[in-house]
Amino acid sequence: DTAVSQTPKYLVTQMGNDKSIKCEQNLGHDTMYWYKQDSKKFLKIMFSYNNKELIINETVPNRFSPKSPDKAHLNLHINSLELGDSAVYFCASSQASGQGSKSSLHFGNGTRLTVT
Amino acid sequence: KNQVEQSPQSLIILEGKNCTLQCNYTVSPFSNLRWYKQDTGRGPVSLTIMTFSENTKSNGRYTATLDADTKQSSLHITASQLSDSASYICVVSAVNSSASKIIFGSGTRLSIRP
Repeated sequence: DTAVSQTPKYLVTQMGNDKSIKCEQNLGHDTMYWYKQDSKKFLKIMFSYNNKELIINETVPNRFSPKSPDKAHLNLHINSLELGDSAVYFCASSQASGQGSKSSLHFGNGTRLTVT
Repeated sequence: KNQVEQSPQSLIILEGKNCTLQCNYTVSPFSNLRWYKQDTGRGPVSLTIMTFSENTKSNGRYTATLDADTKQSSLHITASQLSDSASYICVVSAVNSSASKIIFGSGTRLSIRP
């Protein structure tokens, strides 16, 4: 039973296309996140949702738009893809909101996006 | 500026040996520090979490230490196994009255050789 699952695992697309990455968690957590891991392996938060409400929106181009239909799902839509968007995108969830809480983050296995 | 720096960047040791990974941080106000293990092609998995008052925490063969005065943490792995090959990421949380942040280190890539 996968706790945090995201699809697809790999995504190869051309510049200018629009794509989506889906994420679902079956842990009953209230908060979900999207992180981007660049080539230097740094994980950077992009968005955080608590009970379907956006609570964190870091400096991310507005081509990236999260959608949360319910608290178990947080999808990421990316419009007009650019070469610099190539990275691994991780979905995560936690029990409590606020990144400073002691609740651990549970990550999905990532989506490797390659823009050509 | 909130930063988390890890060393070494990569490490190769023989199976059965011990090793220690380092994490220095300049994060304020400090809330907690976590170590995560990230296997290739997988998401990070939490190993330990320590708050300001805790200076050591064990999880099997993994022992993390925290010195809040010097803002340093270490992760010691005992009797390494091939399955320990992974990236180990130090993560520090900062909390104030208006916001909270998580700052990730770039990780130490550990390779265990048979």
